[in-house]
Amino acid sequence: QQQVKQSPQSLIVQKGGISIINCAYENTAFDYFPWYQQFPGKGPALLIAIRPDVSEKKEGRFTISFNKSAKQFSLHIMDSQPGDSATYFCAASKTGGGNKLTFGTGTQLKVEL
Amino acid sequence: GAVVSQHPSWVICKSGTSVKIECRSLDFQATTMFWYRQFPKQSLMLMATSNEGSKATYEQGVEKDKFLINHASLTLSTLTVTSAHPEDSSFYICSAPFGGSGELFFGEGSRLTVL
Repeated sequence: QQQVKQSPQSLIVQKGGISIINCAYENTAFDYFPWYQQFPGKGPALLIAIRPDVSEKKEGRFTISFNKSAKQFSLHIMDSQPGDSATYFCAASKTGGGNKLTFGTGTQLKVEL
Repeated sequence: GAVVSQHPSWVICKSGTSVKIECRSLDFQATTMFWYRQFPKQSLMLMATSNEGSKATYEQGVEKDKFLINHASLTLSTLTVTSAHPEDSSFYICSAPFGGSGELFFGEGSRLTVL
């Protein structure tokens, strides 16, 4: 019940294209869903996060879509750039859970010219 | 956003020695910090929760005598890998929640190589 399943494992997108990464969770108590971006040899950086009271959140080229009934959420990167090439992790946590995050398995994104 | 600093960013040590990694919240206080371990091309695995003024809480399967955690102040947590062996070689990352929302901010990570 604590798992967060992430797909795809790797993704290659052409410059200017849309990158889409999907996550699914089981624990209905989760109420906070962040996405992290990690470059090689660096710690993860918070990219964007959403709570279940909205179905979509957009920040610049990054959008989270959230489907509460399906227990799924996804990250869309519009106009993907080579600089977006990194590993992306979705995560989930619940209020009262002590800020403990359950991470997805990660998606390695490569944006080609 | 908030800044979490880790030191050292990389360390090489001989088998059998102990290594200390520091995690600092630079512009905010954190009563709780988290320590993760990450193997190449894998996700982050939570090792333990560091609690200021009390004992750390370890995740199942993590040896508390092997990975000593001390939360000395509201801005500093340390992870000491005792009697390190090559299998302890990994990327160790700390994080701290910031603000009312509790968003987690991560340090830059510390790469430990045990020879």
